[in-house]
Amino acid sequence: AQKITQTQPGMFVQEKEAVTLDCTYDTSDPSYGLFWYKQPSSGEMIFLIYQGSYDQQNATEGRYSLNFQKARKSANLVISASQLGDSAMYFCAMRGDMNRDDKIIFGKGTRLHILP
Amino acid sequence: EAQVTQNPRYLITVTGKKLTVTCSQNMNHEYMSWYRQDPGLGLRQIYYSMNVEVTDKGDVPEGYKVSRKEKRNFPLILESPSPNQTSLYFCASSFATSGPEQFFGPGTRLTVL
Repeated sequence: AQKITQTQPGMFVQEKEAVTLDCTYDTSDPSYGLFWYKQPSSGEMIFLIYQGSYDQQNATEGRYSLNFQKARKSANLVISASQLGDSAMYFCAMRGDMNRDDKIIFGKGTRLHILP
Repeated sequence: EAQVTQNPRYLITVTGKKLTVTCSQNMNHEYMSWYRQDPGLGLRQIYYSMNVEVTDKGDVPEGYKVSRKEKRNFPLILESPSPNQTSLYFCASSFATSGPEQFFGPGTRLTVL
């Protein structure tokens, strides 16, 4: 069965520091996708970044990068130069092989607090 | 404006009274999905649909029904709501074969008394 694990329920980080949010996954699908979403206190879900299992390079989107280590089954989110507005809940998610089982599963989330 | 809309945004109801939460998207997405979010549990997928007339169970389908008669709409039906279905519900959509990003609706906060 597919599984996403986020081991950090909460984190406190000083503003301007880099942050790494951990995510490990388990799947038997040869093809899959990994996502990160941000949920601020207002409640909406904001897509941040995506990594395909066959992508050769780690995904980057502005200050966000995804540290994808396939052999270790980890997909950590790195936020460079954190800002107060980065305080939010962050979810790691995985989408399985679309030709077999297109379920999407989410981790339980990490609540990030950026300190001024 | 590309968006996913959900209605109602807030609903308080009583046990056993059938209800429907509507979801509509204007992006011509094939894939649509319903999630519930509970504290400490993250988001859990209830049902998803790859296209019109194609629906599949997610991880927590018990007590819910869905239908996909049109591409843009994917209503969530609770035939006999119970208090353990009190939750925040999200609808989301995406293209099936490309564009991995899911677009989420604003959420529906449901309380079942």
